[in-house]
Amino acid sequence: GAGVSQTPSNKVTEKGKYVELRCDPISGHTALYWYRQSLGQGPEFLIYFQGTGAADDSGLPNDRFFAVRPEGSVSTLKIQRTERGDSAVYLCASSQGRTGETQYFGPGTRLLVL
Amino acid sequence: GDSVTQMEGPVTLSEEAFLTINCTYTATGYPSLFWYVQYPGEGLQLLLKATKADDKGSNKGFEATYRKETTSFHLEKGSVQVSDSAVYFCALTYNQGGKLIFGQGTELSVKP
Repeated sequence: GAGVSQTPSNKVTEKGKYVELRCDPISGHTALYWYRQSLGQGPEFLIYFQGTGAADDSGLPNDRFFAVRPEGSVSTLKIQRTERGDSAVYLCASSQGRTGETQYFGPGTRLLVL
Repeated sequence: GDSVTQMEGPVTLSEEAFLTINCTYTATGYPSLFWYVQYPGEGLQLLLKATKADDKGSNKGFEATYRKETTSFHLEKGSVQVSDSAVYFCALTYNQGGKLIFGQGTELSVKP
């Protein structure tokens, strides 16, 4: 079946603008994760959904970042008043939801804030 | 807090050489351990995992053993190929936490 998909694959925006990044998880996966990967670094956790609710949002860096998953499938990561430091690859992953289960990653959205 | 530390790269090897990429972790509990691989132009893929102490994960000729006494999960392969050139990430997660904590990644380049 299809893997995790993310759109857009690339996004260029200007400082101060609002952006939305979308993630389509593997069908039937109840758990969904967002990570951020800066150049030369490992991915850093942002937020984890179990179903529709955010089970852990401890990785969101500040209140400019927000994510939703209203129907328990597709998720949108929203960034307000973007800053140059937000430039990174944003990764989405999904799993079947059993704790410790393998997470399957999407190809990522490369965000560049000018 | 919990963390993962990997050996610095890049690592450059000749084809058929033996590979070791060191990974150590700091954890307050009993995590599951993973190696993920990122091939050029592709997304992160799970390479192998181990869920408890002394477990050995293996895949595609790669192996790693969960060593609780040394808090390590070193990745090894007996004979690397050019196609193994990629960035390798060590990671941990807790059974109840969900999130993965990654190391900084180690770039491997294999020359023919």
